[in-house]
This record gives sequence, C-alpha cells and structure tokens, in this order.
Amino acid sequence: AQSVTQLGSHVSVSEGALVLLRCNYSSSVPPYLFWYVQYPNQGLQLLLKYTTGATLVKGINGFEAEFKKSETSFHLTKPSAHMSDAAEYFCAVSDSGGGADGLTFGKGTHLIIQP
Amino acid sequence: DVKVTQSSRYLVKRTGEKVFLECVQDMDHENMFWYRQDPGLGLRLIYFSYDVKMKEKGDIPEGYSVSREKKERFSLILESASTNQTSMYLCASSLAGTVNTDTQYFGPGTRLTVL
Repeated sequence: AQSVTQLGSHVSVSEGALVLLRCNYSSSVPPYLFWYVQYPNQGLQLLLKYTTGATLVKGINGFEAEFKKSETSFHLTKPSAHMSDAAEYFCAVSDSGGGADGLTFGKGTHLIIQP
Repeated sequence: DVKVTQSSRYLVKRTGEKVFLECVQDMDHENMFWYRQDPGLGLRLIYFSYDVKMKEKGDIPEGYSVSREKKERFSLILESASTNQTSMYLCASSLAGTVNTDTQYFGPGTRLTVL
C-alpha cells in the first residue's frame, strides 16, 4: 500500500520569499509522483510530475520538485512567492507496478502568502 | 484544452434520497475517476473506470455506485444519501494506457450537502 504525508496543513511565507512544501511518500515499488494545485472554488490542476528520468522536475508557474529516493521525498519549491500562489497544494503518488489503482493524495497544504 | 464538466456546482439533498452526480469530458479520454474531498483528509478515490461499462473500486466505495454507459460520461450514484456523504465531489479523467502515469484533469467539483 502506498501513502503520502504532507508536513504542515498550513504554510505561510512572505511575498518574494522561498516556498517549500514538503511531501514524503511510502511505496513498495518505484513511485510516480505528482503535485497538484487547487485555487479557490476550482478543481485541481497539475503543477508537475515525476515518472522516470531526471529527478529534478520543473513545472508551471516557476515551481519545481526533486525526487529523492533515499529520503522518500518529493518536496515542492519556488524561489520567490507571488500573491497568486496562494492556494491548496496536493502531493500524490501512484504505483508504477502496472496496477490501475489511481492516485493516492496527501491531505494537502494550504499556502498563505503574506504581503 | 481538456474540459471536464460536472452537472452541478452545489447540490442539497435530503437523507435517503437517490443522488446522481454527472461528469462529462470532451477529450476522448479512456479513464475517469470520482474522488471526494474533505478538509484535513485530502482527496480519496471512490471509483474509477478505464473503459465503457468497466468500473473498479477505489479506497472508499461503500455507499456509492457508478455508471459508465458512454465513454465521455461517468456518473456517481448515492443510492440512499446520508449526512456523512456531505462533501466536495471531484471528477477527473486521463488519456489512456498506463493509468498511473497519465495526468488527471479535474472538473470544478460538486459540493453536496445532505440534510
């Protein structure tokens, strides 16, 4: 069984500061990893994903994440926060073993941007 | 752009009623999913389908059923709604093939309240 832990249900940063949202996963097989963002009153949209290859993945809106197998982590970062980044962020994992079992999501981190 | 639409943004039903939540995607995607989203719990997979008339249980199928008679439409059915089914329901779709690596595209969600 796989699981995702997002550290911090709420993270607050100042505009222009570094954004770091933490995600750790548990999986018995090599995972595929995703970050989704949900703006208020909207559905989720994909920020970035890691499947194979380069472990540093770049996504939309200046976000990136690095897959670290030894640490079972997939933390999301952005060098300089913008007010428009305020949203709920979800880390998700799926099984690379070939089973059709959808995504397992973390509980989400609400990102607050202070002016 | 992929578009996933859900029949209602807000729905209020009474305990014991039969409830239908409809989801339609316009990009000829093979796979479709239903999640529920609750504060502090993230998204949890209810059911998914990788082909017409095919369905698979997710993590929390109890109290729900689904129907996929046409490729573009995936319905979630609450046979007898209960107050603990008050939640945000999100539909998603993804292309085909390996379910686990495909980007899932989400609808805007239906906020269901059961009184």
